[in-house]
Amino acid sequence: EDKVVQSPLSLVVHEGDTVTLNCSYEVTNFRSLLWYKQEKKAPTFLFMLTSSGIEKKSGRLSSILDKKELFSILNITATQTGDSAIYLCALVPGGTSYGKLTFGQGTILTVHP
Amino acid sequence: DTEVTQTPKHLVMGMTNKKSLKCEQHMGHRAMYWYKQKAKKPPELMFVYSYEKLSINESVPSRFSPECPNSSLLNLHLHALQPEDSALYLCASSQVRDSGYTFGSGTRLTVV
Repeated sequence: EDKVVQSPLSLVVHEGDTVTLNCSYEVTNFRSLLWYKQEKKAPTFLFMLTSSGIEKKSGRLSSILDKKELFSILNITATQTGDSAIYLCALVPGGTSYGKLTFGQGTILTVHP
Repeated sequence: DTEVTQTPKHLVMGMTNKKSLKCEQHMGHRAMYWYKQKAKKPPELMFVYSYEKLSINESVPSRFSPECPNSSLLNLHLHALQPEDSALYLCASSQVRDSGYTFGSGTRLTVV
């Protein structure tokens, strides 16, 4: 069965710190890797990664996929209290199993003022 | 419109009640999904509809009954639920075979 592991499971930092969240996977066939931020309700989309080695950036957030070593990282620089959330990575399957996102357990990030 | 709208936002129901959760999107997405999320856990897939037809049922108990009346609407009918069914129920949509999933804000369900 496809497996996605996120680390660390929780992280506490202070405003201004830089954090790196990890997502490793054991999947034989996938279409893309997604990162979401979830506060109290809906997961909100951050990044979709399909190609290895190409960094995606959005403000203070950036992410990259390494298909050779089977992992992705999400970086957040100059963290703010509003970054406190659960960060989820998910794999989009290839083939006909679309919709069956395989989520990692999530990383709970807490940013203190 | 780039949103998935779910109603109600909160629902408390007894174990003998019948209720429905509703989900609507107007992005032209032809795949819609129901996920269940327990506290501090990732979302778990329940159902997938593709072109208004049920394509995946993840062995969900029959007390959960999905319905897709048209390409914009997705319902989840609830009957005789158990307290352990209390969770956040998330609807999502995407183009078929596309990775662009959009989640709704969810319905927080409590079964008493």
